[in-house]
Amino acid sequence: EIVMTQSPATLSVSPGERATLSCRASQSVSSNLAWYQQKPGQAPRLLIYGASTRATGIPARFSGSGSGTEFTLTISSLQSEDFAVYYCQQYNNWRALTFGGGTKVEIK
Amino acid sequence: EVQLVESGGVVVQPGGSLRLSCAASGFTFDDYTMHWVRQAPGKGLEWVSLISWDGGSTYYADSVKGRFTISRDNSKNSLYLQMNSLRTEDTALYYCAKGPGRSYYYMDVWGKGTTVTVSS
Repeated sequence: EIVMTQSPATLSVSPGERATLSCRASQSVSSNLAWYQQKPGQAPRLLIYGASTRATGIPARFSGSGSGTEFTLTISSLQSEDFAVYYCQQYNNWRALTFGGGTKVEIK
Repeated sequence: EVQLVESGGVVVQPGGSLRLSCAASGFTFDDYTMHWVRQAPGKGLEWVSLISWDGGSTYYADSVKGRFTISRDNSKNSLYLQMNSLRTEDTALYYCAKGPGRSYYYMDVWGKGTTVTVSS
């Protein structure tokens, strides 16, 4: 099983500031990495796939980068609606998909 | 509009069985891989199972292998999860999710989920 480790667990950021979230894979997943956003009481929403491709309708302030074992999700200027929990997911080993433990982005 | 609606979640005793359903609409169901993903109360996301577009391939998380069975009925645009030998640790919100096509195994559309509680 590929273990996905996200850091930090909680990120305190002021509105308008930049947020940088990390995701590390226990072995290479190439660029087969997705990011999701989940707000309280809601289902997850796909933000990024292929490590860096924004999903339909996702604002340009969200960007993804990385390949292999190290990945980053950057939110360039946090808006009030961006405070949520973010998960990464690898799909390189599609017989055993795995999610990271999540990073909660909270208001500072 | 693409829509996924889960149903079947209830309170069940340990050792019991349950079948979840997911009704899909707004897309050509038999062109897409489908998934079940769960979230225990206050916890993160856990992938449970996936099924290929034609039902010919199925995969499971180790935590449910041998107890859960995923299936689909493309004529009814429906996805199912048969859950047997339920344990308290299976308590969670269960999401049905759609893949982006026949290949690539992320989830681009999610349902709202159905709650399964395993308790005596």
